[in-house]
Amino acid sequence: AQKITQTQPGMFVQEKEAVTLDCTYDTSDPSYGLFWYKQPSSGEMIFLIYQGSYDQQNATEGRYSLNFQKARKSANLVISASQLGDSAMYFCAMTLTGGGNKLTFGTGTQLKVEL
Amino acid sequence: DTEVTQTPKHLVMGMTNKKSLKCEQHMGHRAMYWYKQKAKKPPELMFVYSYEKLSINESVPSRFSPECPNSSLLNLHLHALQPEDSALYLCASSQDRTSPHYEQYFGPGTRLTVT
Repeated sequence: AQKITQTQPGMFVQEKEAVTLDCTYDTSDPSYGLFWYKQPSSGEMIFLIYQGSYDQQNATEGRYSLNFQKARKSANLVISASQLGDSAMYFCAMTLTGGGNKLTFGTGTQLKVEL
Repeated sequence: DTEVTQTPKHLVMGMTNKKSLKCEQHMGHRAMYWYKQKAKKPPELMFVYSYEKLSINESVPSRFSPECPNSSLLNLHLHALQPEDSALYLCASSQDRTSPHYEQYFGPGTRLTVT
């Protein structure tokens, strides 16, 4: 079965600095999708970025980029130029081919952006 | 438009009540999901509907009864709940469930308290 690990329960970053949130995964399936979601205190899960297992290039979406290292089974999220509004819980998640698009989430990282 | 709406935002119910949670999307998505999220934990999948048919039930107790009246609507009927069922209930949708590469879009959730 697949597994997602986020080892950083909490992170602090200064405003305007970059921050990396770690995510490692474990699966023997060659085809999978990796996702990052942001969950502010309001509760809504906001989709940030997606990386497919066969994608050759790292995904980017505005200030978000995904550092995909397939051999190491890692999919770290990099947020550049942090803003106060980035303070939230961040979840790494994955789906498998044949898994019915079932999202498996990591335990999350609580990010706080400070002035 | 990547909006998924959920009503109500908050719900307090007694253990003998019957209530329903509603979810709606107008993105033409053919897969819809219910998740349960306890505080400071990742979401846990409950049900998946694909093309209006129930395709995954993650061994959810029968006091939770899902319904998909049409491709845009998803309901979760609640009956005889327990206090431990108090949680944030999230609805999500995706293009379909046949590929692991489709992101899921979440609604803002319903915060349920069972007294």
